Amino acid sequence: LAKTTQPISMDSYEGQEVNITCSHNNIATNDYITWYQQFPSQGPRFIIQGYKTKVTNEVASLFIPADRKSSTLSLPRVSLSDTAVYYCLVGASFTSGTYKYIFGTGTRLKVLA
Amino acid sequence: DSGVTQTPKHLITATGQRVTLRCSPRSGDLSVYWYQQSLDQGLQFLIQYYNGEERAKGNILERFSAQQFPDLHSELNLSSLELGDSALYFCASSYSRAGVGTDTQYFGPGTRLTVL
Repeated sequence: LAKTTQPISMDSYEGQEVNITCSHNNIATNDYITWYQQFPSQGPRFIIQGYKTKVTNEVASLFIPADRKSSTLSLPRVSLSDTAVYYCLVGASFTSGTYKYIFGTGTRLKVLA
Repeated sequence: DSGVTQTPKHLITATGQRVTLRCSPRSGDLSVYWYQQSLDQGLQFLIQYYNGEERAKGNILERFSAQQFPDLHSELNLSSLELGDSALYFCASSYSRAGVGTDTQYFGPGTRLTVL
C-alpha cells in the first residue's frame, strides 16, 4: 500500500516559482499521480496528472523521476489566489485485485505580496 | 464547478442517529468515489463504485455503507453516528474504473456533517 508524504507548509512571494514534492516510495506499477488544489470548505480541484517524466498544462508542470518514488508539482509565477492546500493523490494500487487511493498529507502554500 | 453535485451541503445530527448523503456524478461518468476529510485524519478514501458495483474499498467503517443506483447517483449511509464522524464528506466521479487510462477524479463541493 502506497504511503504519501508532503511538506506541511511553504511560503512564497508573488511571481515566484513554487515546487512542492510528494514522496510515494511504495507506489505500485500502475499508479498514476494526480495533484489537487483545495480551498477552505471546498472540494479538491484537479490541477495535473502524470505517470512518468514530465507533464505540463496551462497552470502547472509535474515532474516524475524514473523510479517514480516521488513527484514534484511546479507552479510558475504564483499569485495571491494560489494560496491553498495542495495534495498529491496516488492512483490505484493493486492488492489482491483491489484498488486503493492514497492522498498525501497536504502542503499549505501561502503566497505573500 | 466540477459538475459533481452533493446534497445536503450541511447536516447536523445527534450521536446514534443515521444519515444519508447523496452524490450525482458528472454526466457520462461511471465511477463514484467517497472520501472523508477530518482535521486529524486528512483526506481518507472510503469506497468506490463503478457502474453499480463496488470497485475499491478503503478505510470505511462497518457502520458506513454505500451504493450506486442504476442512474449512477450514489448514496453514503452513516449509522450509529459518533462525535468522531463529524467531518467533510466528498464525492468524486470519473469516467472509467480505477487503473484504466487517465482516470482523473473530479470532486464535488462536499457535505459537512456535524454530530452533536
